[in-house]
Amino acid sequence: RKEVEQDPGPFNVPEGATVAFNCTYSNSASQSFFWYRQDCRKEPKLLMSVYSSGNEDGRFTAQLNRASQYISLLIRDSKLSDSATYLCVVNDYGQNFVFGPGTRLSVLP
Amino acid sequence: DVKVTQSSRYLVKRTGEKVFLECVQDMDHENMFWYRQDPGLGLRLIYFSYDVKMKEKGDIPEGYSVSREKKERFSLILESASTNQTSMYLCASSRGGGGQPQHFGDGTRLSIL
Repeated sequence: RKEVEQDPGPFNVPEGATVAFNCTYSNSASQSFFWYRQDCRKEPKLLMSVYSSGNEDGRFTAQLNRASQYISLLIRDSKLSDSATYLCVVNDYGQNFVFGPGTRLSVLP
Repeated sequence: DVKVTQSSRYLVKRTGEKVFLECVQDMDHENMFWYRQDPGLGLRLIYFSYDVKMKEKGDIPEGYSVSREKKERFSLILESASTNQTSMYLCASSRGGGGQPQHFGDGTRLSIL
C-alpha cells in the first residue's frame, strides 16, 4: 500500500464548478499536512497547510479527518487558472515529507 | 517570502562528467532537500540535510552526493553523470522542527547526453 494516495484524475470541469480532491495516508502518526499545486514543468508551490479544525483560504477549503486518515481539498467557483496538478503532502516527523502522486485538474472554458 | 534559488534552469552535460547543482535559500531554514521528478514517478527524495555538514540519504541516493558547508547553500553532485540521471531536479527548504512546509526552487531541468 502506498503511503499517500490521491484520486488518480484527471478531473475535467467547467469554469465555475466546484471540485473536490481526496487524499489518504497510511501512517497514523503523521503530524502535518499540506496541499501544493504544480503547474506543468514548474516547481510545486504551497497552496495551504491543513489543520485539524479545517481551514479556508478564499475559494479553497481543506479538511483533515485523522480518524479516517483522510485529507480533502475543495475548490469552489473554479477558474481557468486553477488548472494544475494538486499534490497532497504528509509530514511524518521532522524532515520526512511524503508526497502523493498528484491529481491533475483541467478547468475548461 | 521565502526565496529558494537554483543555479540553473536548464543544463546539458555529457555522460561521465561531474555535475554540480547549487541551491541557496534566504530564510535561515535548517532543513534542505534535493528531489528529482520524472513523469509517472512523482517526486523522489535524493538527499536531505538538517544542519550544516549534516546529510541523510533519501530514497534514491545512488550516483549522487551532497555538500552543505553553509546553512544557506546545499549542493547536489553527480559524480559521473549517466543518461538515466536526465531529470527535473528540485531543491526545497523548510524551517526546523515538525509542521513546517517546504518551499521549492524553480527547478533545474538536466539533460545528460
